[in-house]
Amino acid sequence: GENVEQHPSTLSVQEGDSAVIKCTYSDSASNYFPWYKQELGKGPQLIIDIRSNVGEKKDQRIAVTLNKTAKHFSLHITETQPEDSAVYFCAASKGRANAGKSTFGDGTTLTVKP
Amino acid sequence: GAGVSQSPRYKVAKRGQDVALRCDPISGHVSLFWYQQALGQGPEFLTYFQNEAQLDKSGLPSDRFFAERPEGSVSTLKIQRTQQEDSAVYLCASSLPRLVGETQYFGPGTRLLVL
Repeated sequence: GENVEQHPSTLSVQEGDSAVIKCTYSDSASNYFPWYKQELGKGPQLIIDIRSNVGEKKDQRIAVTLNKTAKHFSLHITETQPEDSAVYFCAASKGRANAGKSTFGDGTTLTVKP
Repeated sequence: GAGVSQSPRYKVAKRGQDVALRCDPISGHVSLFWYQQALGQGPEFLTYFQNEAQLDKSGLPSDRFFAERPEGSVSTLKIQRTQQEDSAVYLCASSLPRLVGETQYFGPGTRLLVL
């Protein structure tokens, strides 16, 4: 089955700096890659996603890149703010072909210091 | 509109007890997923429904775990004879099917502690 590895497990940055989280996946049939933000006591919330027919997607301060050949994708957060502090998860799925179930990475705890 | 809701939010059970966890998906969402999230880890897939049909239960860890969605809306995850290793957060997610990539909307989860 699919295996998703996520690095780093913890990341501490100064407010205003950029943060980068990287994930690799094993199944070349995966075609949908969402990123989630999870705050304490809450469920994961989708922040951005990318489908395998595009290489990059941007939404304000957040961007995601996908390299299908190397089977890795990354989350970039620019101009970080203290409210960005949370656990971030990457995931991979095969869309309708696999009923959309996602395989998640183990998460990155991001701390943004004021 | 309302998001995915789950109840109870917290459940403490004695080892050997049966528990039932409820998920109310977003109205109109066809797909419903259950995930188990251990402390410090990412969610792990348990089972998937499309309307009332359980199409994938490959992630259920044992036959003590049972899920149902009889009318294609509310779903219940039942764990029989709970064990300490069942302690985790149980997340429910719902979505509308897409050709590629179903955006899943998660509930807040039920934190289960088995003593």
